[in-house]
Amino acid sequence: ETGVTQTPRHLVMGMTNKKSLKCEQHLGHNAMYWYKQSAKKPLELMFVYSLEERVENNSVPSRFSPECPNSSHLFLHLHTLQPEDSALYLCASSQDQGNYGYTFGSGTRLTVV
Amino acid sequence: AQSVTQLDSHVSVSEGTPVLLRCNYSSSYSPSLFWYVQHPNKGLQLLLKYTSAATLVKGINGFEAEFKKSETSFHLTKPSAHMSDAAEYFCVVAPYNQGGKLIFGQGTELSVKP
Repeated sequence: ETGVTQTPRHLVMGMTNKKSLKCEQHLGHNAMYWYKQSAKKPLELMFVYSLEERVENNSVPSRFSPECPNSSHLFLHLHTLQPEDSALYLCASSQDQGNYGYTFGSGTRLTVV
Repeated sequence: AQSVTQLDSHVSVSEGTPVLLRCNYSSSYSPSLFWYVQHPNKGLQLLLKYTSAATLVKGINGFEAEFKKSETSFHLTKPSAHMSDAAEYFCVVAPYNQGGKLIFGQGTELSVKP
C-alpha cells in the first residue's frame, strides 16, 4: 500500500446508475487529485483540491461530481455515465504544490455498460 | 508551454541487458522531473525524482536517470533488465509554480524477453 487507498477496485455500472468512488490518504498531504486513464491515452487531470477547496476543474462533464469533505478523503460521484467514461480512475495526493511528486492510489477500474 | 515527450512508445529488451527509456521536456523554468512505473491494472509508483539537487538521480529497483539541462532530457536507465521490470513507464514534469499540476508523457511500454 502506498498510503493512498481507493475503493472499490473494480466497478461495473449501468448508464442510469449513481455510484461513488472513494479515496483516502493517511500521509498528511494537503492536496488531492482525480485523474482519468483511458486505454492508449495520456493521463487526464480531472480535479485538484488544495486545502479542501477545488482549485482546478479541467472541463470535466457535470456527470462527474467531486467532493472533498476533509484533507484525508476525496470522492468522485458518478451519475448517468456514458460507455466512453469506462477507464481507470486514479486518485493522488501531494504536499503543497506537488513539486516533490504525487502518491497515487491503485485506482478504480470503472466499466459503464 | 510546458510539455514532456517520451520518444518511444514501446521498448523491448532481453533479460540482463541494459534499459534506456528516453524523455525530453520543455519548461520555461527549472522543473521538477519524475519517472513513474505502472504495472498492469495497478496505480502509478514513483521510481525517482529530480528536484534541482544532484543531476544523476538514483531510484528504486536499480533505476537511475540523469538530468541534462543542455539537452532538456531526463532519460531513465537500468544496467540489467529483470522480467519484473516489464511495465509502463511515465516521464512527468512538474512545472515551476504551476499549482501542483503534473504533466505526463504518453508512456513507454517496456517488454522484457527471457
